[in-house]
Parts: sequence; C-alpha cells; structure tokens
Amino acid sequence: GAGVSQSPSNKVTEKGKDVELRCDPISGHTALYWYRQRLGQGLEFLIYFQGNSAPDKSGLPSDRFSAERTGESVSTLTIQRTQQEDSAVYLCAIQIQGSPGEQYFGPGTRLTVT
Amino acid sequence: AQSVSQHNHHVILSEAASLELGCNYSYGGTVNLFWYVQYPGQHLQLLLKYFSGDPLVKGIKGFEAEFIKSKFSFNLRKPSVQWSDTAEYFCAVIPSGGYQKVTFGIGTKLQVIP
Repeated sequence: GAGVSQSPSNKVTEKGKDVELRCDPISGHTALYWYRQRLGQGLEFLIYFQGNSAPDKSGLPSDRFSAERTGESVSTLTIQRTQQEDSAVYLCAIQIQGSPGEQYFGPGTRLTVT
Repeated sequence: AQSVSQHNHHVILSEAASLELGCNYSYGGTVNLFWYVQYPGQHLQLLLKYFSGDPLVKGIKGFEAEFIKSKFSFNLRKPSVQWSDTAEYFCAVIPSGGYQKVTFGIGTKLQVIP
C-alpha cells in the first residue's frame, strides 16, 4: 500500500540461518505492526510499536523472533535459526494520526525456509 | 482483551448472488470496526470502517456493513457479487480512544464463480 515498503520482496533461506526483514514506512505514522500470514491461514499478529512506549511483543511465537524500530521510521523483524514452519508472508502495517485502527499495509516479504 | 470471530472461512457464490459475511467481536467498551480486503496478488486494503454515527456504513465497490451494538456484530454485505470480488476479507476491531492494538479475524475467502 501507499506509504509502506518492505524488503526483500522474496527471501529463500536454509533452515537454521538468520534472516532480517525490513519495513520502511512513511514518516508521521503513529503505530507500526508486524503480522505473519501463513499459506491458507489468517493474519497472525506478531508485534506492535506505538510511539515511545514499550512494544507489545505478545504475538511473537518464540524467542527466535525479535523486532526493532529506529526512532519512528524503519523497522526490522529478525528471525534467528529459521525453521520450516517460519515460511510465510510477513506483513508490515502502519497507522496514521487521526484514524485509530485504520491500517496501511506493505506488500509483504515472502519467506521460504528450505 | 478484544477478540474477533468470522464465522465463514470459505464462501463460494455465483455471480449476482447476495453476500453476507459474519463478524462478531467481544469487547466491553466502544470500538472502531473495519473490513479489509486482499485481492489475489495484491496488498491488504481498507474496504470500509465504522467509528461512530450511522451504523450502516458504505465502502468501496458497493460493499456495506452494519454495526449492531446489541449483537456485537459488524456483518459485511453486498447485494450482487461479481467475479472481481473474489478475495479474502478480514474483519478487525480496535477499542475507541487511546492507544490500543488492532485485532483481526481469521479471514473469509470468497470465491465468485462466473
């Protein structure tokens, strides 16, 4: 969607390797979310950044997953020691001022763990 | 914490049939409600939203949704579907006011047969 880019668009990695996924949002957003969408399944919330508050990490499936946000801009989602079940599309979404809950999604990164 | 349930996971309709996708949420206070759509190969995008006022909201492409507070429901409707409506539809909720997390339903895959 307009205002959010993600890279890479596709990533193939071997089981056990670490990967880093990047989200570049427009400036001025109020919140940033990461979701996972496995084949045939719905959106799975991973982590949520809001202003300067501590991130809500309640959706991270294991301690292999972590995310950071640099100031109020770029965010990276890191998966360590990838497993085959990590294969999914990872989506970044932002919220903007004045429209709580209305999200703008990036195109996603398709991660394939072989 | 709030939750969202979508009752139909996979719906198949013929063109010109009427559509209703169910969405119920659980939360004790006031909420903002959304329907998002993901067309094949495209980003998730907002279809329509309810913040306050008229509980019948209209979105893009002839879709509408009705907020029934007493039933905690926000069902999506379209009187006559087209093949181009084939997509996955997600209902989402966020508590009104303050900084809260959006919660998505599992999604409903709609297949429209020409």
